[in-house]
Amino acid sequence: DSGVTQTPKHLITATGQRVTLRCSPRSGDLSVYWYQQSLDQGLQFLIHYYNGEERAKGNILERFSAQQFPDLHSELNLSSLELGDSALYFCASSVAGRGGLETQYFGPGTRLLVL
Amino acid sequence: QKEVEQDPGPLSVPEGAIVSLNCTYSNSAFQYFMWYRQYSRKGPELLMYTYSSGNKEDGRFTAQVDKSSKYISLFIRDSQPSDSATYLCAMSASTGNQFYFGTGTSLTVIP
Repeated sequence: DSGVTQTPKHLITATGQRVTLRCSPRSGDLSVYWYQQSLDQGLQFLIHYYNGEERAKGNILERFSAQQFPDLHSELNLSSLELGDSALYFCASSVAGRGGLETQYFGPGTRLLVL
Repeated sequence: QKEVEQDPGPLSVPEGAIVSLNCTYSNSAFQYFMWYRQYSRKGPELLMYTYSSGNKEDGRFTAQVDKSSKYISLFIRDSQPSDSATYLCAMSASTGNQFYFGTGTSLTVIP
């Protein structure tokens, strides 16, 4: 158990809908990273937050947004969902968010299925 | 061209075999190289971490980085059925916070 929690574990929804994925980092970790994992693309970095502020953006679509709250939990909002958004969404946390200098601890993921 | 290329496998070996997993990359700015192990229906977990070039050994696992060839490897000695998982390489530049992952190699160790 990495200490990172994600809810829900599974989510089934329809195209055009909006969903929110939630992540609680390990106790003491200030950074949260979001990733999308699909069979053909592998693990893709979406976005990084450090202590409430956006630090880096990766391949995140405009339909997706995220935020990190004062209690350091983070939410990833996915809107106008398309079939291709079906994937595993992971969050990871680290102590300070110093990129390659730190270990990232991954949560168990949220499996999203868009029908 | 993807930043990181990794042979997806699948790779199937008998118990006790030496396993070699590899990734190539294109960005010469990458300084930090990691290997993650991901069991089915779980999140990735960090296995090995290497900075710049060279070798690092941890028990049955050895990570190698050849920056001149932009090539990294993970060797597993005396492979065990419990090593059956997907192995992901990841790398990061010396500045910035983005990690780039390979697509993962699926490994099965047969008892």
